[in-house]
Amino acid sequence: NAGVTQTPKFRILKIGQSMTLQCAQDMNHNYMYWYRQDPGMGLKLIYYSVGAGITDKGEVPNGYNVSRSTTEDFPLRLELAAPSQTSVYFCASNRNTGELFFGEGSRLTVL
Amino acid sequence: AQTVTQSQPEMSVQEAETVTLSCTYDTSESNYYLFWYKQPPSRQMILVIRQEAYKQQNATENRFSVNFQKAAKSFSLKISDSQLGDTAMYFCAFRGGSEKLVFGKGTKLTVNP
Repeated sequence: NAGVTQTPKFRILKIGQSMTLQCAQDMNHNYMYWYRQDPGMGLKLIYYSVGAGITDKGEVPNGYNVSRSTTEDFPLRLELAAPSQTSVYFCASNRNTGELFFGEGSRLTVL
Repeated sequence: AQTVTQSQPEMSVQEAETVTLSCTYDTSESNYYLFWYKQPPSRQMILVIRQEAYKQQNATENRFSVNFQKAAKSFSLKISDSQLGDTAMYFCAFRGGSEKLVFGKGTKLTVNP
């Protein structure tokens, strides 16, 4: 089973550029999440979704957008990239049993 | 809002010894889940153990066990017979009724040979 798949794994952006981090899960999970992890820190929730067509903000949503058109996919859009968005991004999913299944992370550097 | 506090930024232990990582949380909910996740240098987030708040019995997974004190809002992780492969960041996490998983800042554990 693929589980949660994130692409790309690494990306370097220039200030002001835009990009989309892709996330797909094949476990038919309703809930999907995007977290960012800054160096030496824990994970902070950016956005989450409880089902197709439904998204909500987490702790640090500014500078990001999401959509959830299907159960499987939950892309994260960065508009006008800034150095403060340099981080490792994790996508995760679960049913309502609590445990999150994580992707392998995407390392983004904004120069 | 729920908060999760891990008061030990770094810890070290000798191989084969036992170590306990601390976690406290703040919530007004009565039904929730608690987790410990391990993040090795590979960066992958790996579930170590989970505890449902309604269960009084402490969860155990092989060498990993928890001490869940609901009244004190404490959820510590005990690692017995520590192995070199246990070297990692360990994150405590809380999930209540809001579907969101809230993480602590982590404890960096180093197992020394």
